[in-house]
Amino acid sequence: AQKVTQAQTEISVVEKEDVTLDCVYETRDTTYYLFWYKQPPSGELVFLIRRNSFDEQNEISGRYSWNFQKSTSSFNFTITASQVVDSAVYFCALRAPDYGQNFVFGPGTRLSVLP
Amino acid sequence: GAVVSQHPSRVICKSGTSVKIECRSLDFQATTMFWYRQFPKQSLMLMATSNEGSKATYEQGVEKDKFLINHASLTLSTLTVTSAHPEDSSFYICSARGVREGDTQYFGPGTRLTVL
Repeated sequence: AQKVTQAQTEISVVEKEDVTLDCVYETRDTTYYLFWYKQPPSGELVFLIRRNSFDEQNEISGRYSWNFQKSTSSFNFTITASQVVDSAVYFCALRAPDYGQNFVFGPGTRLSVLP
Repeated sequence: GAVVSQHPSRVICKSGTSVKIECRSLDFQATTMFWYRQFPKQSLMLMATSNEGSKATYEQGVEKDKFLINHASLTLSTLTVTSAHPEDSSFYICSARGVREGDTQYFGPGTRLTVL
């Protein structure tokens, strides 16, 4: 069973639409960290956010926002008013003692924003 | 954010040769470095973790004699693919984590290896 699930393999939206990328994780630990990374076509992973398990406050950074729900083990990512430059693969990752403190990456969601 | 560089960005080699990939943390001391492999349209797979001055810890299924990892300093780790074969062709990504960076890993830009 996947420890980090990103149910959407590919999403296409038209510019200016809002889009939410889902992430569901699995761990028995009470202390863990969740991350989102963006991988544009160039290949480099860009760090977007880190959230620890004790901080359930939602976070907003410009057009990006994250919704952390411990009750459903989800850490969803929303892009508001999407732009073509948002086109990339987005990975959700988990770091927990359960997995030796290494990152466990989800399979990624490929987002295409069309002009 | 912290910066991690990788060199080379692309390499093409003949089957049977060895290839060395360098990973450097440019503005922080990386106590731990990670090497990942990514096949087209797939997620990142952790190959090994190395702490400065220690032997690398390899994930199950990764041949340590084929993928030699050295983490000789707090800013440099190298991955050597020995006797490369076409099936080793892949995108190799390193990441680094330092004490100051807490639990966040910063990733290099990746190296695309093609073995002919």
